[in-house]
Amino acid sequence: EVQLVESGGGLVQPGGSLRLSCAASGFTVSSNYMSWVRQAPGKGLEWVSIIYSGGSTYYADSVKGRFTISRDNSKNTLYLQMNSLRAEDTAVYYCARDWTPGSGYGYWGQGTLVTVSS
Amino acid sequence: SYVLTQPPSVSVAPGKTARITCGGNNIGYKSVHWYQQKPGQAPVLVVYDDSDRPSGIPERFSGSNSGNTATLTISRVEAGDEADYYCQVWDSSSDHRVFGTGTKVTVL
Repeated sequence: EVQLVESGGGLVQPGGSLRLSCAASGFTVSSNYMSWVRQAPGKGLEWVSIIYSGGSTYYADSVKGRFTISRDNSKNTLYLQMNSLRAEDTAVYYCARDWTPGSGYGYWGQGTLVTVSS
Repeated sequence: SYVLTQPPSVSVAPGKTARITCGGNNIGYKSVHWYQQKPGQAPVLVVYDDSDRPSGIPERFSGSNSGNTATLTISRVEAGDEADYYCQVWDSSSDHRVFGTGTKVTVL
C-alpha cells in the first residue's frame, strides 16, 4: 500500500528556515515524480515544486531561490528545505506522487502545517 | 504563466447533474486532472487525463476537454459529493504544474 507521511512543520519566524520531510512506503521515491503542494488557510491549492525520477527539479516562481526539493534514496524520503520564509508561506504542505507519470496526483500525504509568524 | 479559471461555486439538488468548468487558453491540447477535497482532508484524484477514473472512483464522475474549456460532470449527485473541486494541468512551456482556482459544490 502506498503511504506518504509528512513531518517537520511548525511555527517559524519570518526569515527563518524549516525542512519538511515526506516518508514514503509501498513504492520507491526515486522511481516516481514527486511534488510538494501547499494550501494557505481558506485558500486553494498551489503547486510548489517537483522532482522527476531523473532528478530534474522545478519550482513555482513564488518559492524559486528560497526552497529546495530533494530526496534521500536510502531513506525513501522526499524533502523540502524552506529558507527565507515569509508570512505568505503559511500553509498546509502536502507531498504528492503522480498516479502514473504525468497523470495527476494520485497519492497524497496528510499534510503538515507551516506557520510563519513573529 | 498559465491560468486556469473555475467558477467559485456550483449548487445542485440531490440526484441532479453538476457541471464544473475549468477554463484555460487552448486547454483542449493539455491533459486535465480533477481533484475533490473535503474539509480538513487531503485532495483526492477523481479524474485524470481528461476523462479517466482512478480505481475506486464512481462512474458518476466523468470528464471532458475541448477548446478552451474542460468540464467535470458529476451525475446523480449525492450529499457526500459536497466538496471543493480543483482542475490541474501541466504547463509545458514552464514545466510547472498549475491548479485551477477551485469550485465549491453545494448540494441543496
